[in-house]
Amino acid sequence: QAVVTQEPSLTVSPGGTVTLTCGSSTGAVSSGHYPYWFQQKPGQAPRTLIYDTDNKHFWTSARFSGSLLGGKAALTLSGAQPEDEADYFCSLFYNGPVVFGGGTKLTVL
Amino acid sequence: EVQLVESGGGLVQPGGSLRLSCAATTYWMQWVRQPPGKGLEWVSDISGDGKRTTYADSVRGRFTISRDSAKNTLYLQMNSLRAEDTAVYYCRTSPVVPNDWGQGTLVTVSS
Repeated sequence: QAVVTQEPSLTVSPGGTVTLTCGSSTGAVSSGHYPYWFQQKPGQAPRTLIYDTDNKHFWTSARFSGSLLGGKAALTLSGAQPEDEADYFCSLFYNGPVVFGGGTKLTVL
Repeated sequence: EVQLVESGGGLVQPGGSLRLSCAATTYWMQWVRQPPGKGLEWVSDISGDGKRTTYADSVRGRFTISRDSAKNTLYLQMNSLRAEDTAVYYCRTSPVVPNDWGQGTLVTVSS
């Protein structure tokens, strides 16, 4: 089974910009992996932020954007706010199975 | 507007069974689980018409996903449960649905 890798933790300053990445053990991530990004705050269910690489969920803030970058899926947060502090998970589709990354704990400090 | 609400979780002994339920949309649906304090794990998918299913290796042969279109309900039948199946189980669907994740139901496998 493929392994999906994310940075375990990242810190961003309020108002700053940070990019989270999502890599695959099988090689470069492509749009055919239909990358998703999810946000989860403590005690809450996950929420979809980005789907199919760069499509925003209806409630997703304009501060978030998805892309492919350097062979990985990427989630960029521009103008970080305290309420963006959360765990972020990505998922990739492997023509059947879906694999989640281990998650990135984002601190806004 | 469909609200995904899971039910059926609880405490069960190793080797036991549980059936989870969730309100279903007309789109593909999926079960995802999250062990306490850990990350997300994909469990199973079912197509909108119910004809295609896929399973994670960790549950294949023990879990069965199904849907009842007449009742607009998604199910996950879980048999031969193990301690490592302990998790919050979420149902989710296509992100074109505003509320595409449920709130989760806790399954605890312990003697």
